[in-house]
Amino acid sequence: DTEVTQTPKHLVMGMTNKKSLKCEQHMGHRAMYWYKQKAKKPPELMFVYSYEKLSINESVPSRFSPECPNSSLLNLHLHALQPEDSALYLCASSRGGQGGSNEQFFGPGTRLTVL
Amino acid sequence: GDSVTQMEGPVTLSEEAFLTINCTYTATGYPSLFWYVQYPGEGLQLLLKATKADDKGSNKGFEATYRKETTSFHLEKGSVQVSDSAVYFCALSDLNRDDKIIFGKGTRLHILP
Repeated sequence: DTEVTQTPKHLVMGMTNKKSLKCEQHMGHRAMYWYKQKAKKPPELMFVYSYEKLSINESVPSRFSPECPNSSLLNLHLHALQPEDSALYLCASSRGGQGGSNEQFFGPGTRLTVL
Repeated sequence: GDSVTQMEGPVTLSEEAFLTINCTYTATGYPSLFWYVQYPGEGLQLLLKATKADDKGSNKGFEATYRKETTSFHLEKGSVQVSDSAVYFCALSDLNRDDKIIFGKGTRLHILP
């Protein structure tokens, strides 16, 4: 299985709502990532988990809260978002570790709209 | 820091034309290089990769060669199809530094029938 799955595919939420994005991979990868992608831009890294521990936080506002319950799952909890947070949120995973090529495998993304 | 520069486009070609998308990089170490493709409404897919100098990555008729002397990784295809219309991202990763991938800004490709 070389697939990264994400749910939901689309999400519309108000600024006072709390919602969660989910990501799953069964490739035995040790690193998992959250990216935010605005239209016509490359993905922007938000968080990296390595061996289920948060290893990189790219100064993301606290209204985004990541969680890695186990080595296959990655969540992104959303609270009090702003309209400018509307974007495509991508999850990715990679084998990681020293050496090798460390290509990342991406999920299809969640299209988030904040009203 | 490390960086990737690629032509931003959009690039518009007729079907069966030859494609080149230029990509150059700056890196202090010995990175791996990638091309990712993003079709409309989808996530990114790895198109091809190269892990060391002079390696050639290839997939689906696309090719790119890791040129250390010119710090380049240009994407080429001999005969494009309408189905190749997408956004192409050049990227690098240096595992000896961290788990990050650094992306170029992306090149939008339109193929006309």
